[in-house]
Amino acid sequence: NAGVTQTPKFQVLKTGQSMTLQCAQDMNHEYMSWYRQDPGMGLRLIHYSVGAGITDQGEVPNGYNVSRSTTEDFPLRLLSAAPSQTSVYFCASSYSSAPSIGEQFFGPGTRLTVL
Amino acid sequence: DAKTTQPPSMDCAEGRAANLPCNHSTISGNEYVYWYRQIHSQGPQYIIHGLKNNETNEMASLIITEDRKSSTLILPHATLRDTAVYYCIVRVPNAGKSTFGDGTTLTVKP
Repeated sequence: NAGVTQTPKFQVLKTGQSMTLQCAQDMNHEYMSWYRQDPGMGLRLIHYSVGAGITDQGEVPNGYNVSRSTTEDFPLRLLSAAPSQTSVYFCASSYSSAPSIGEQFFGPGTRLTVL
Repeated sequence: DAKTTQPPSMDCAEGRAANLPCNHSTISGNEYVYWYRQIHSQGPQYIIHGLKNNETNEMASLIITEDRKSSTLILPHATLRDTAVYYCIVRVPNAGKSTFGDGTTLTVKP
């Protein structure tokens, strides 16, 4: 299994540009989520999904959209990039959203810089 | 969601046990405590989780107090490779959310 993969690894955008961060998992996991991590800080939840066709907002959803059309993929869209969105973005998945068996597997991250 | 409080940093001598505390005084009866760690800027790595009983796996032990208001992650024989940021989080049942705080930076010294 490749686990959780994210593309691209690095990205530089100009203010106002839009882009999609890709996330895929090959473990048939039900739950997927996106986090951002600003320098020297912990992870903050952006959006999450408990299954195909179901998404919900996390702690910091503004400026981001998600969709979950398949079990495998959970793309994150930046609608109009702002410098405040400069961060490292991590995608994660777990077999279930149930906390008893909810070990999350994280991808390697996408490092985004918005100029 | 229950919030967690961790010390910002800790040091540990190589070969000694590292004991990382976490306060989660507002935890509800059906919420689980999870521990992850993040080495350098890699994606976080799962370590262990528990509800009320103490848990042990090949990486660590988790001690949860009887009132469940706090827990301690124990790395029995810390190595230099255990230097990382350790996150204690509380999982809300069926809500799908995991909120990470700022964690504890553990530095293992020779």
